[in-house]
Amino acid sequence: GAGVSQSPRYKVAKRGQDVALRCDPISGHVSLFWYQQALGQGPEFLTYFQNEAQLDKSGLPSDRFFAERPEGSVSTLKIQRTQQEDSAVYLCASSELAIGELFFGEGSRLTVL
Amino acid sequence: DAKTTQPPSMDCAEGRAANLPCNHSTISGNEYVYWYRQIHSQGPQYIIHGLKNNETNEMASLIITEDRKSSTLILPHATLRDTAVYYCIVRLFSGSARQLTFGSGTQLTVLP
Repeated sequence: GAGVSQSPRYKVAKRGQDVALRCDPISGHVSLFWYQQALGQGPEFLTYFQNEAQLDKSGLPSDRFFAERPEGSVSTLKIQRTQQEDSAVYLCASSELAIGELFFGEGSRLTVL
Repeated sequence: DAKTTQPPSMDCAEGRAANLPCNHSTISGNEYVYWYRQIHSQGPQYIIHGLKNNETNEMASLIITEDRKSSTLILPHATLRDTAVYYCIVRLFSGSARQLTFGSGTQLTVLP
């Protein structure tokens, strides 16, 4: 595709449910990032992949958050036992190089009831 | 990465130039200044970046002061579609730093 694609665009989960958010980066992009954006705030870094290797997960808020990119393309962000404070927009971005312009998807809006 | 300071909001008349300031007084020599914007309900969009020299592309111009402690993003002829939150980010350009650190940004409202 032409850009970064994220699905689902909207997800409503009951507290305690597990959710999985998918990111399809731009084809050939080496680097992939996940960000979390709370309402009215700027995006906050969660984790970074270079190809299939997760090189930085320092921003993951708890061990309930897990991300993978097994074949170096599509990535999944999984949140286990969701809590209300997990409600946010989750943004995925990719870049062609380790250092370069980031291209963002439109995000997945998660609402935990 | 160095911290940036931006005004929380600005207005601009349609067709006029929008000048968005950013202070980054603790920037180091190998840190770049990046600008992204985020239109409501969309992901952030790259605008421009620079190190020392002024830069211009089809979207905007970036003016960096000689001491590199501040910069200004210029949208030469603002349109209603330029209404967005604009983020000024200082980013270390090395193999060890990869993420962008967003602040609160400036909400630019272009008025008809």
